[in-house]
Amino acid sequence: EVHLVESGGALVQPGRSLRLSCIASGFTFAETGMSWVRQAPGKGLEWVSFIRTEAYGATTEYAGSVRDRFTISRDDSKSTAYLQMNRLTIEDTAIYYCTRVSPDGAGSYIFDNWGQGTLVTVSS
Amino acid sequence: DIQMTQSPSSLSASVGDRVTITCRASEDISTFLNWYRQKPGKAPEVLIFGASTLQRGVPSRFSGSGSGTEFTLTISSLQPEDFSSYYCQQSFSTLFTFGPGTKVDFK
Repeated sequence: EVHLVESGGALVQPGRSLRLSCIASGFTFAETGMSWVRQAPGKGLEWVSFIRTEAYGATTEYAGSVRDRFTISRDDSKSTAYLQMNRLTIEDTAIYYCTRVSPDGAGSYIFDNWGQGTLVTVSS
Repeated sequence: DIQMTQSPSSLSASVGDRVTITCRASEDISTFLNWYRQKPGKAPEVLIFGASTLQRGVPSRFSGSGSGTEFTLTISSLQPEDFSSYYCQQSFSTLFTFGPGTKVDFK
């Protein structure tokens, strides 16, 4: 069974940094893309970042709202994905979900497994 | 980036009702459209991918259709666990974007 467990969420002041982790199990992590999606309190889902497998160079994508501040990475030896968040603002307050990104068989992707999320609160 | 819109933003319904939600993309995304359900306090789960393919284990009361820029999610007979929020997501671009969501609540 696939499990994704996020950690690292905390209360942090504006301008500070935080690193989230997502430990995966139940599938071959090295063969799977990973993504982070966030949800501000009472709001909808916002895609944040995506990382491909090492076979595709572990290349990354970012939403415009976090580009140049957030960095996604992966350590296949630990089956773990990370999200380094710098220069945090109040607008970054959200639950952050880690998701497995699987091929849909037609050349695209689906977010087919999700963790339970970790809460990041940015406040002074 | 591709922008997604959904309508309605919320609707009230009863158990057994047929419900339809519409999703529109700001440009042609072929059939690269996924639908997710998010139950209150839970993580989202994928229902449909490729605009119309049911994810394994998802009940057949869910169906999807559309291509290009306009898509629909239909629930043929609403069940208690379906009183949730629904999100479309485009996967045509790997700058994945979600729609703003549709909340389905009790009439």
